[in-house]
Amino acid sequence: DTEVTQTPKHLVMGMTNKKSLKCEQHMGHRAMYWYKQKAKKPPELMFVYSYEKLSINESVPSRFSPECPNSSLLNLHLHALQPEDSALYLCASSQAGAGGREQFFGPGTRLTVL
Amino acid sequence: DQQVKQNSPSLSVQEGRISILNCDYTNSMFDYFLWYKKYPTEGPTFLISISSIKDKNEDGRFTVFLNKSAKHLSLHIVPSQPGDSAVYFCAASGRGTSGTYKYIFGTGTRLKVLA
Repeated sequence: DTEVTQTPKHLVMGMTNKKSLKCEQHMGHRAMYWYKQKAKKPPELMFVYSYEKLSINESVPSRFSPECPNSSLLNLHLHALQPEDSALYLCASSQAGAGGREQFFGPGTRLTVL
Repeated sequence: DQQVKQNSPSLSVQEGRISILNCDYTNSMFDYFLWYKKYPTEGPTFLISISSIKDKNEDGRFTVFLNKSAKHLSLHIVPSQPGDSAVYFCAASGRGTSGTYKYIFGTGTRLKVLA
């Protein structure tokens, strides 16, 4: 299985809602990533988990809360988002450490905040 | 400060000809470079990579060239096919202070291959 899956594909939420994005991989990768991509822009790194521990937080606002419950799953909990948070949210995975230079991406969740 | 730049937002090439996509970077600490292809409704798909100890890597129709002194890399696609039409991102990777490797993506080049 060489796939990273993300659910849901699309999500529309109000500014007072709480929702979660989910990501799953079964490639045995021990590093997982969340990226945010706005239209006509490159993906921007948000968080990195390595061996289920948060290793990088790129100064992301606390309304985004990541969680890595096990080596195959990565969640992104959303609360009190703003309309400018509307974007494509991409999950990726790789081997951890120097051997994991290629990241494999999921199809993304397109988030709209009203 | 954009550490990885793709100065051509778009490129049109005739089917069967060579496509050359360029990427420049500023940080000499980057030691691994990758190219990804992205269709509108999908996540980026890994194409090819190159370590800073090499100057060329080839995989089928795709070749990546690295010029470290110029801090420049390029992706050559030969021959170009209509299915290659997509947005291409270069990415540079280096080891962060936490010991974790992370990418910085370029701004992307939209390639259109004309039949």
